[in-house]
Amino acid sequence: QVQLVQSGAEVKKPGASVKVSCKASGYTFTGYYMHWVRQAPGQGLEWMGRINPNSGGTNYAQKFQGRVTMTRDTSISTAYMELSRLRSDDTAVYYCARDRLELQDYWGQGTLVTVSS
Amino acid sequence: EIVLTQSPGTLSLSPGERATLSCRASQSVSSSYLAWYQQKPGQAPRLLIYGASSRATGIPDRFSGSGSGTDFTLTISRLEPEDFAVYYCQQYGSSLSFGGGTKVEIK
Repeated sequence: QVQLVQSGAEVKKPGASVKVSCKASGYTFTGYYMHWVRQAPGQGLEWMGRINPNSGGTNYAQKFQGRVTMTRDTSISTAYMELSRLRSDDTAVYYCARDRLELQDYWGQGTLVTVSS
Repeated sequence: EIVLTQSPGTLSLSPGERATLSCRASQSVSSSYLAWYQQKPGQAPRLLIYGASSRATGIPDRFSGSGSGTDFTLTISRLEPEDFAVYYCQQYGSSLSFGGGTKVEIK
């Protein structure tokens, strides 16, 4: 069965960077894009971008251009999302989600990133 | 960027009632690339509807979607206890964006 298992919660100081991992199993990792979506506490969903695990090609939402980097390691079927220059309003749950024709059909459990001084 | 506006913000209904949720786009959504997701507290979203009106695998037929262009609707014909949740629309025809969500709560 398809599973996406994300890394654990993180606490970071403003200005720092965070890197969240998403390990995929139960399907061919390189056959499906991976999206990253975040959700601030009590707020809605916000799409951050996606990566093609086969080529490494990325598409980022304009809001995050220059601050987000999505990468992957095909040898361990893992995708990564790194967000730099963190601010307090980056506090959120970050989800990875497998792509199916631009939709997201399987989601990770989420990783809470807290930015606080 | 296409902005999606959902209404109402909160819908208070009783089990067995019909729920009608609206999603309006700031510009036409190409090829009806409009989806609906359900999210329960502490859980990741779940895909319900894609292509404006097609149910995802395993979704009960009490959920239906309709609309085109800039106006879309999610209808839950008879609310079951497990349907009380937050619902988000998403367009995936031009980049990707979500609406702000509609909470369906028990009256």
